Amino acid sequence: NAGVTQTPKFRVLKTGQSMTLLCAQDMNHEYMYWYRQDPGMGLRLIHYSVGEGTTAKGEVPDGYNVSRLKKQNFLLGLESAAPSQTSVYFCASSYLGLADYNEQFFGPGTRLTVL
Amino acid sequence: DAKTTQPTSMDCAEGRAANLPCNHSTISGNEYVYWYRQIHSQGPQYIIHGLKNNETNEMASLIITEDRKSSTLILPHATLRDTAVYYCIVRVAHGDMRFGAGTRLTVKP
Repeated sequence: NAGVTQTPKFRVLKTGQSMTLLCAQDMNHEYMYWYRQDPGMGLRLIHYSVGEGTTAKGEVPDGYNVSRLKKQNFLLGLESAAPSQTSVYFCASSYLGLADYNEQFFGPGTRLTVL
Repeated sequence: DAKTTQPTSMDCAEGRAANLPCNHSTISGNEYVYWYRQIHSQGPQYIIHGLKNNETNEMASLIITEDRKSSTLILPHATLRDTAVYYCIVRVAHGDMRFGAGTRLTVKP
């Protein structure tokens, strides 16, 4: 199993450009998440999904859109990139198991720079 | 979800136990305590979680006080590879998990 994979690993954008980050998981997990991590800070939740076709806002959703058309994929879109969106983006997934067990499996991250 | 307070940084000698504290004085009865760690620039890694009772797995032990207002993560024999940022998180259910700044643990030879 590959676990959680993210595409691309690195990207440089100019202000105003758009792009889509792809997250894929092969563990048949119901839940998927997008986080961002700025230098020296903890992760902040952007959006998450509790199942195919459903998404919800997290802590810092502004400037991002997401889609979960297939259970295994979770897309994060930036319609008009801004320098403030320069960050490392992590995707994670977890399964709907026991009520208290929510181990999140993380991808390797995408390092995005917006000039 | 309840907020947590962790020290910014800690040092530990290699081979000794590392005890990482976390305060969560506003924790609710149905909130769990989770610990994750992030080594260098990798994605965070789950370590352990608990509700009321102390928990142990192959990586660590989690000690939760009787009033549940604080907890301690114990790495029994720290190695250099345990150098990482450790996050304590309390939450009720699936979905939204809020990471704070965590504790930067440095294991020294």
